[in-house]
Amino acid sequence: KNEVEQSPQNLTAQEGEFITINCSYSVGISALHWLQQHPGGGIVSLFMLSSGKKKHGRLIATINIQEKHSSLHITASHPRDSAVYICAVNYGGSQGNLIFGKGTKLSVKP
Amino acid sequence: DTGVSQDPRHKITKRGQNVTFRCDPISEHNRLYWYRQTLGQGPEFLTYFQNEAQLEKSRLLSDRFSAERPKGSFSTLEIQRTEQGDSAMYLCASSLGILAGDPSSYNEQFFGPGTRLTVL
Repeated sequence: KNEVEQSPQNLTAQEGEFITINCSYSVGISALHWLQQHPGGGIVSLFMLSSGKKKHGRLIATINIQEKHSSLHITASHPRDSAVYICAVNYGGSQGNLIFGKGTKLSVKP
Repeated sequence: DTGVSQDPRHKITKRGQNVTFRCDPISEHNRLYWYRQTLGQGPEFLTYFQNEAQLEKSRLLSDRFSAERPKGSFSTLEIQRTEQGDSAMYLCASSLGILAGDPSSYNEQFFGPGTRLTVL
């Protein structure tokens, strides 16, 4: 059983739509990361957060520590947003290594 | 570009052969991580170094796997007697590490492009 669960697994949207990807985890964490992976494998860190909300351009990440839940929102989606979005956490007792969800594959159609 | 680099980007080998991958982290980063990702799955932690010390190894890392970071800079991951199940993307990441006195301060990890291994 994966300790980090993401939903949905796959998501298809029309250009311009508002997108939400969810992540839940099972135990206390020190930090939660949202990552973007394009075909070919390269991973880019989008956000690292331990509380509240962060915004960067059209991307917004929120976290609710009590509910052990985080969301990644994309406003005004664009075909170039098509990628796999991965949620990962640092658990409180870990040494910094990340525990990853399986990812959400997003496809934005023009 | 001073990001994390990995070499080679692709490796095809026959079952039973040994392979070695290299990772060059961002120069001022003292932490280096190796992850493995199979198709359709998220990455899984293999091992990590703080400077030259290997501090943690996943139980995924069988005896056929060994990793080194001899001078605290680049790292190598060797797989001996490769098996078809070793086929995966091997990812390296680096970070500044935990700030002294603040164990909750996990720093952002920067990932390399990965090495895709195919074992025939």
